[in-house]
Amino acid sequence: GAVVSQHPSRVICKSGTSVKIECRSLDFQATTMFWYRQFPKQSLMLMATSNEGSKATYEQGVEKDKFLINHASLTLSTLTVTSAHPEDSSFYICSARHGAGGRNEQFFGPGTRLTVL
Amino acid sequence: GQQLNQSPQSMFIQEGEDVSMNCTSSSIFNTWLWYKQDPGEGPVLLIALYKAGELTSNGRLTAQFGITRKDSFLNISASIPSDVGIYFCAGHPPGGSEKLVFGKGMKLTVNP
Repeated sequence: GAVVSQHPSRVICKSGTSVKIECRSLDFQATTMFWYRQFPKQSLMLMATSNEGSKATYEQGVEKDKFLINHASLTLSTLTVTSAHPEDSSFYICSARHGAGGRNEQFFGPGTRLTVL
Repeated sequence: GQQLNQSPQSMFIQEGEDVSMNCTSSSIFNTWLWYKQDPGEGPVLLIALYKAGELTSNGRLTAQFGITRKDSFLNISASIPSDVGIYFCAGHPPGGSEKLVFGKGMKLTVNP
């Protein structure tokens, strides 16, 4: 149990285009999902907290108009990188919070490697 | 903000050896989680700890939630080549926040 999928796993796009990344909790419901960005040889950097049915909460320094987050259901959150630029190239990872039964654990998706040319 | 100090930053061991890593903080945490990340993949949850003093095992892995709530350790016994990867500690600070604070990771290399 507690499986999180992410799609696509890898995307290459031209500068100026928008890219949508999907995060799904496959076998549990997640009222809260998180989006992280990870640079090579570094730890995970939280970008935003995605809450089902409400606006996402962004971390300081993360542009909400550039990184659009939608959490339309208890099993799906999407991150759209708008007008992508080469500096947006990174490894993006989502996680879903499993809070049933007294648990407070985050399960991560496999990540999406974004390359902006 | 709260920080987790994870040590060591890297380790090189021989297959079959045991390895220990820990995380410390200057402030208390309500939960401690240990993750392993393989290259190009998302982190995988290894062990979750919820109570001070709690000692939990998962196969060859053992982790403990420190009594002071300011530290945790993870032990791997009889290491095998597939243990290679980056191990992260993470925790929930008090206050009800769902956000995790992460350590900087420990890169483990296992020589066959």
